[in-house]
Amino acid sequence: DAKTTQPNSMESNEEEPVHLPCNHSTISGTDYIHWYRQLPSQGPEYVIHGLTSNVNNRMASLAIAEDRKSSTLILHRATLRDAAVYYCIPYYDRGSTLGRLYFGRGTQLTVWP
Amino acid sequence: DGGITQSPKYLFRKEGQNVTLSCEQNLNHDAMYWYRQDPGQGLRLIYYSQIVNDFQKGDIAEGYSVSREKKESFPLTVTSAQKNPTAFYLCASSRGRQGFGSGANVLTFGAGSRLTVL
Repeated sequence: DAKTTQPNSMESNEEEPVHLPCNHSTISGTDYIHWYRQLPSQGPEYVIHGLTSNVNNRMASLAIAEDRKSSTLILHRATLRDAAVYYCIPYYDRGSTLGRLYFGRGTQLTVWP
Repeated sequence: DGGITQSPKYLFRKEGQNVTLSCEQNLNHDAMYWYRQDPGQGLRLIYYSQIVNDFQKGDIAEGYSVSREKKESFPLTVTSAQKNPTAFYLCASSRGRQGFGSGANVLTFGAGSRLTVL
């Protein structure tokens, strides 16, 4: 299994951009990078995913390094509702691990008003 | 609206009792999953099922059992053999093999069931 490293916590002020880093140095060529977030006492929520090129959706942007050993989730303007734990998850689309996503401890994002 | 429904939201159990947590989805997803989350921890995979009548153990299956008799349902039983069952339990589903190769196997989660052993 590829290992991921994320900071335990990060802070931001409201309406400022937030860059959440993730290192996944052992990722293989076919693994996608998925990001989920979890608000307190709720189930995780899908944010974004990508393979090689940068991706954008209504929630966030995902910047993937050229060597794919790291990625950054970008929240362009943080709101109080973005305060959550963010998980970076390599997705192993092969064999018996098909669809089996592993969640670690993630990054706790605090947003200050 | 399509989604996943978990019940009950809160459950209290006496030691030595089995309890069953319900998980129903109307997303027409093939794959379903059960995770356990302890305070301040990430999610750990208990069981998963890629198709009806088939399921696989995850990382912490001991003391748990599941069934997958219908596509939309994946109940989890926490047995008396589970030594420390107090936790937050999350059910999820995904397209499974329909998303193979596209990276589109996005998981949709339920709101969770919080089990407390008295």
